[in-house]
Amino acid sequence: AQKITQTQPGMFVQEKEAVTLDCTYDTSDPSYGLFWYKQPSSGEMIFLIYQGSYDQQNATEGRYSLNFQKARKSANLVISASQLGDSAMYFCAMKDTGANSKLTFGKGITLSVRP
Amino acid sequence: GAGVSQSPSNKVTEKGKDVELRCDPISGHTALYWYRQSLGQGLEFLIYFQGNSAPDKSGLPSDRFSAERTGGSVSTLTIQRTQQEDSAVYLCASSPGLLNSPLHFGNGTRLTVT
Repeated sequence: AQKITQTQPGMFVQEKEAVTLDCTYDTSDPSYGLFWYKQPSSGEMIFLIYQGSYDQQNATEGRYSLNFQKARKSANLVISASQLGDSAMYFCAMKDTGANSKLTFGKGITLSVRP
Repeated sequence: GAGVSQSPSNKVTEKGKDVELRCDPISGHTALYWYRQSLGQGLEFLIYFQGNSAPDKSGLPSDRFSAERTGGSVSTLTIQRTQQEDSAVYLCASSPGLLNSPLHFGNGTRLTVT
C-alpha cells in the first residue's frame, strides 16, 4: 500500500531565502509518480511539480525543484527565493502504476514566509 | 476549456437530510476523483471513476455515500442521512489518465451539517 509521510511542523522562512519541505514515501511498485501541490488559504489546490520514478534528473519548475532520492524514498520540495505569496499548505502526493489509480496525499506542511 | 467546476460552492444542511454534490470535469478528462478535506487536514480519497465505472471506491466512509458518473462527464456525490461528521470540503478532480498527469482540482463544496 502507498504511504506518504510529511512530519515537519509548521515551517517558517525569511522572504527571498530558500526552504526545503520534506516528503518520504513508501511503495512496493517500481513505477510511480510523485507530485507536490500548494493550497493557499483560499483553498484551491495548485499543482506545482512532478517527478517520475524513472526520471534520471530532478524535476524543476521555475522556483520549485524536487530533490529526489530514490534509494531513501524521499522527494523533498525546494522553493528558492521565497515570496510572501508562497505562504500556504504544501502537500506531497504519490500515484503508482495503473494510470488512473488514486493520488495518495500526505498530511501537508504549513509554510509561512516572513517579510 | 474551463477548469473543474463544482456546485454548490457552499451547502448547509440539517442532520438527517440528503445532499447532492456535483462535479463537472475538464472536457476530455477520462478520470474523475472525489476527495474530502476536513478543516486543517489532508485530503482523504473517496472514489475515482474511469469513464463511467468506478474501479476504486474504497474510500467511501459508509453506505450513506454513493457516487455516479454519466456520459463520461458529470459526476454526482450523494450523501444520505447526513451526520455532523460529514461536514468538510468535498473536492473533485479530473485527469487525462496518465501516470504523469496531475489531477486538476475544482474549488470544492463546503458542506456544513447542523
